[in-house]
Amino acid sequence: DIQMSQSPSSLSASIGDRVTITCRASQNVDRYLNWYQHKPGKAPKVLIYGASTLQTGVPSRFSGSGSGTDFTLTISTLQPDDVATYFCQQTYRNSYTFGQGTKLEIK
Amino acid sequence: QVQLLESGPGLVKPSGTLSLTCGVSGDSITSNKWWTWVRQPPGKGLEWIGQIYRNGDTKYNPSLRSRVTVSIDTSKNQFSLKLTSVTAADTAVYYCARDEAPAGPPPTYYRMDVWGQGTTVIVSS
Repeated sequence: DIQMSQSPSSLSASIGDRVTITCRASQNVDRYLNWYQHKPGKAPKVLIYGASTLQTGVPSRFSGSGSGTDFTLTISTLQPDDVATYFCQQTYRNSYTFGQGTKLEIK
Repeated sequence: QVQLLESGPGLVKPSGTLSLTCGVSGDSITSNKWWTWVRQPPGKGLEWIGQIYRNGDTKYNPSLRSRVTVSIDTSKNQFSLKLTSVTAADTAVYYCARDEAPAGPPPTYYRMDVWGQGTTVIVSS
């Protein structure tokens, strides 16, 4: 199995801050990396696929980068609506593992 | 508008079988997509369970492979999940999702772009 690890596990930031979440794969996943936003009581929502392609309808303050084993999700200007848990997911091998999640709160 | 809706018992006895169905509207289950199950145990992260393609091809999480079956019913435009020999560790919110790759040349990057609302399954006697 490919293991995915995210850091930090949680973070608190102020409105307007630039926020960065990292995801590391235990082996090369090329650019087969997705990011999801998950709010309590709601279905997860895809933000980024193919490591850096913004899903239609997602605000441009979200961006993704990386390839191979190291990836980053960036929120350029944090908004109140961004409070959520963020998960990375690899789709390189046939068992599509998620990271453990990063819980983002407003300071 | 594509919608997915999970249905099934909310309570399953230990050692029993968990059975859920995902009804699909606004899209054909025979289209070029994978149909996926994901779960989230209380206080934990997302876990990918498995998925099925229109021709019946399946992929499963190795940690669940011996207990999981995902099937498809094209006549009803739905797909299903069966998980046998359940324990309390299988208590979770279960989601179904559509896994699609945008049209265009390779590489093909699949992502789960439509999800059901989720259904809570508790394993308890």
